[in-house]
Parts: sequence; structure tokens; C-alpha cells
Amino acid sequence: QKEVEQNSGPLSVPEGAIASLNCTYSDRGSQSFFWYRQYSGKSPELIMFIYSNGDKEDGRFTAQLNKASQYVSLLIRDSQPSDSATYLCAVSRWYGNNRLAFGKGNQVVVIP
Amino acid sequence: GAGVSQSPRYKVAKRGQDVALRCDPISGHVSLFWYQQALGQGPEFLTYFQNEAQLDKSGLPSDRFFAERPEGSVSTLKIQRTQQEDSAVYLCASSLASGGFTGELFFGEGSRLTVL
Repeated sequence: QKEVEQNSGPLSVPEGAIASLNCTYSDRGSQSFFWYRQYSGKSPELIMFIYSNGDKEDGRFTAQLNKASQYVSLLIRDSQPSDSATYLCAVSRWYGNNRLAFGKGNQVVVIP
Repeated sequence: GAGVSQSPRYKVAKRGQDVALRCDPISGHVSLFWYQQALGQGPEFLTYFQNEAQLDKSGLPSDRFFAERPEGSVSTLKIQRTQQEDSAVYLCASSLASGGFTGELFFGEGSRLTVL
């Protein structure tokens, strides 16, 4: 079992719609949860981090964490063509970014 | 520049050759990480430095992989006797400190290694 699972295939959403991405993790001791965005051929960049159960909002992005279910999600509201990228879920056993375990990513395509 | 700099950006090696990949982190960043990203996959942790100390090398796939950061700034990832399965993008990342609540890791553009 991989540490971080992102099983959904490419997600196509119309411009202006909500994109919803899901991630599960296997290590119940995980403390830190991150969402990175990676454009094709580019390096990952941090868009959200969350440590506590519940929702965390930042602009058009909302991260949701449920430690009991070992589940993290990312919502992108009012999707824009510039949101078209691969979104990587990452998890760490520690507070902060030591030894992140990444999922394989979910590709999002926003259709104008 | 102000970002994490990696060189070379592209490297083609014949199987069996040794390669060295360089990472110049953001000035003042204490923590430095190496990740390996195969095509269509997420980055896989290789190793972690805090200043010059290599605190975790549990992700290095074999003893052919070696990393160093002798003066606590620039780091080099060396791969000896390269194999085709070593073909990947090698990402370097740095952060201001280990731990903490900001959690922001700054990645370089990566070094794409192709082993023929």
C-alpha cells in the first residue's frame, strides 16, 4: 500500500466550475498535509497546507482534512484555465516538510 | 537568482557512467532535500540535509546513490554506474528551517537524467 493514494484519473472541468480532488494516506501518525501544483515540465509549487481537522480556505482554494478517515481533499472554486495542472498531495509525519511522501498526482484540465 | 538552482537541467548518460547533479539552494536555507520523480509519478524522497548534516538518507535506492553538502550550502547528488531505471527528474528543494508551521518547500526546476 502506497503511503499516499491519489487514484482519480484526469479531471476535466468547465471554466467557472468547482474541481474536487481527493487523497488518502496510510500512516495514521501523519501530522502535516500539503497540496502542490505542478505545471507540465515545471517544478512543484505549494498552494495549501493544513494541519488540523476541518477546512482551510485560501482564495479560491479550500483544503479539507479528516484525520479519522485519513483523507485530504482540495477544492478549487471558479476554476480557471490557468488552474490546468497536476495537483500533488503530500504528507509528513512531522509538523513541517521533513520527508514528504507524495501521491502520484491528479491532472486537472479546465475547459474554457 | 533568488530561487533554487539546479544543474545540469538535462543529462544523457550511457549505462554504467557516473553522473553528478548540483543543487544551489536559496541563500540562508537550512534544509535541503533531494527527490526523484519518474514520468507520471509524484516525487519520491531520496535524502535530507540540515546544514551539512545528512539527517535522513533512507530514500536512496541503492549504494550507487550518494549525496553531500559539505559546507551546508551547495549539494551534489552523485549516481555511480547509472542504470536505465535511474532515468528520472531529480528535484532539489530547500526550506528556511526544518519543522515549523509554514511548511513551504521551494523546488528547483530539476535535472532530467536519461540513461541510454
